[in-house]
Amino acid sequence: DSGVTQTPKHLITATGQRVTLRCSPRSGDLSVYWYQQSLDQGLQFLIQYYNGEERAKGNILERFSAQQFPDLHSELNLSSLELGDSALYFCASSARVAGGTDTQYFGPGTRLTVL
Amino acid sequence: DAKTTQPPSMDCAEGRAANLPCNHSTISGNEYVYWYRQIHSQGPQYIIHGLKNNETNEMASLIITEDRKSSTLILPHATLRDTAVYYCIVFRSNDYKLSFGAGTTVTVRA
Repeated sequence: DSGVTQTPKHLITATGQRVTLRCSPRSGDLSVYWYQQSLDQGLQFLIQYYNGEERAKGNILERFSAQQFPDLHSELNLSSLELGDSALYFCASSARVAGGTDTQYFGPGTRLTVL
Repeated sequence: DAKTTQPPSMDCAEGRAANLPCNHSTISGNEYVYWYRQIHSQGPQYIIHGLKNNETNEMASLIITEDRKSSTLILPHATLRDTAVYYCIVFRSNDYKLSFGAGTTVTVRA
């Protein structure tokens, strides 16, 4: 158990819909990262937040957005969903913004299925 | 970012040591070698990391060559539960993201 929690575990929805994925980081961690894992793309970094502020962006679609709240939990919002958005979405947390031995610990993931 | 090269797959007998190689010939002085594994579709699990020296923890040992161009992850006594995809990742000290490659699929056989 990494200490990172994600809800829900599974999500099934239809094309065009909007969903919200939630992540609670490990106690004391200020950084939250979102990754997407699809069958054909592998694990891809989406976005990072540190203490409520966006710090880095990866290959995140404009239809996707995220935020980190004052209690440090984070939400990933996916809108206008397409079939290709079906994937596993992982959240990770770490103690710092970046640097040194700042190890990221991953949650169990949310499996999103878009029908 | 330094790239890593890993064999796509390897088998290991239960109870034996599993030695997983990784090449990172373009690694820079401030880049760490991290190892994660992913069991089925679970979240990637941190195993170990190192900069220059060999490292050991309760899960594994990491041997980094003197020139730092390659490393080996050693699982001392592999069990069936060690069957997973193992990722070797080079991580710069001011990096923010982990760049996962294809990894090595390790199958531990009874």
